[in-house]
Amino acid sequence: AQKITQTQPGMFVQEKEAVTLDCTYDTSDPSYGLFWYKQPSSGEMIFLIYQGSYDQQNATEGRYSLNFQKARKSANLVISASQLGDSAMYFCAMRVNDMRFGAGTRLTVKP
Amino acid sequence: DTEVTQTPKHLVMGMTNKKSLKCEQHMGHRAMYWYKQKAKKPPELMFVYSYEKLSINESVPSRFSPECPNSSLLNLHLHALQPEDSALYLCASSHYLGQEETQYFGPGTRLLVL
Repeated sequence: AQKITQTQPGMFVQEKEAVTLDCTYDTSDPSYGLFWYKQPSSGEMIFLIYQGSYDQQNATEGRYSLNFQKARKSANLVISASQLGDSAMYFCAMRVNDMRFGAGTRLTVKP
Repeated sequence: DTEVTQTPKHLVMGMTNKKSLKCEQHMGHRAMYWYKQKAKKPPELMFVYSYEKLSINESVPSRFSPECPNSSLLNLHLHALQPEDSALYLCASSHYLGQEETQYFGPGTRLLVL
């Protein structure tokens, strides 16, 4: 069975600082994909970053990077230089045969 | 273009009504998805279509009926819904490019069942 866990219900970060959102996963399948999405209060799910299980390097997309530690089964999202517009719900997800989401972390960026 | 469109944006329906949600993408993606999201919860997968064939049905009640008329369109037909079916319904599409996978979501339809 596949499982994905986000243990931080809420996080606060000061504007312009970096923040790490935690995500751990569990699957016995060697082939899987890991995703991070941002969901503002408007409801839209915005794709941020993807990491494949066979990727050797950590994925990066602008201010977003994914700290992939395969042995620990963790896929933490790092947001550098936080902005007020980064305040939103963040979901980690894993795709094996289907797609499963973690419970989410609500990030609040303080001015 | 990474756009997935959904209509309508909002829908209010009675328990005896029949309505449909529509989803469209023109990115050439061959996998399309329906998710249901309740307030303050993560999205839950309902259906997956791969190459226009239903590949995953996550034990969804038969009052939800998906349809994939072609590779760009995905519908969700609703009939005799219950108030607990009120939620945000999200459509998504995805593709693989080498080792890279992306899954893009539409803006969702907020459904209220009275």
